[in-house]
Amino acid sequence: EAGVTQFPSHSVIEKGQTVTLRCDPISGHDNLYWYRRVMGKEIKFLLHFVKESKQDESGMPNNRFLAERTGGTYSTLKVQPAELEDSGVYFCASSPRQAGEAFFGQGTRLTVV
Amino acid sequence: TQLLEQSPQFLSIQEGENLTVYCNSSSVFSSLQWYRQEPGEGPVLLVTVVTGGEVKKLKRLTFQFGDARKDSSLHITAAQPGDTGLYLCAGGYAGNNRKLIWGLGTSLAVNP
Repeated sequence: EAGVTQFPSHSVIEKGQTVTLRCDPISGHDNLYWYRRVMGKEIKFLLHFVKESKQDESGMPNNRFLAERTGGTYSTLKVQPAELEDSGVYFCASSPRQAGEAFFGQGTRLTVV
Repeated sequence: TQLLEQSPQFLSIQEGENLTVYCNSSSVFSSLQWYRQEPGEGPVLLVTVVTGGEVKKLKRLTFQFGDARKDSSLHITAAQPGDTGLYLCAGGYAGNNRKLIWGLGTSLAVNP
């Protein structure tokens, strides 16, 4: 069974550009989470989907970030316009239930120059 | 200010040695998770502890949750090169165990 997959694995963009990150959760997992780790800082929660609904988006940094999960399958996280401080590794995780183990993808390393 | 402090930040030991890494907080958590992360990969859950004073063993790894549920430790016996990686602890609050508070991690290198 395929694990959580994220695309792209790396992205380098210029300040002001738009980037869209994609996460394909494990099939059948209703819960999908986005996290971010900025260099030198701890991993931080961004938001949580249950199927296509946003359960908790309290960790989203600002309105330049937009997450969607149309159809309750894969999710996208768009950053528009990107700023230098958005650089970091973005992780996606999924779980079948809210409790229990969440499985992480390999992450997308975003560099804004 | 870090809510979860992990120590040491870096640790380099020889194969066969024992080690303990720590995860401390002034906050009380309803659960605490330990993860291991390898370069280019996402964190992989090792264990979840939920009861104060709880001890869980996973082969050569022993995890303990403090009585007050503010701190935890991970002890590895007879470390092997395959144990090399970044060990992260993350605390969860009741009602939303996914909105985890993460530590910075302990980077462990086990040399043959």
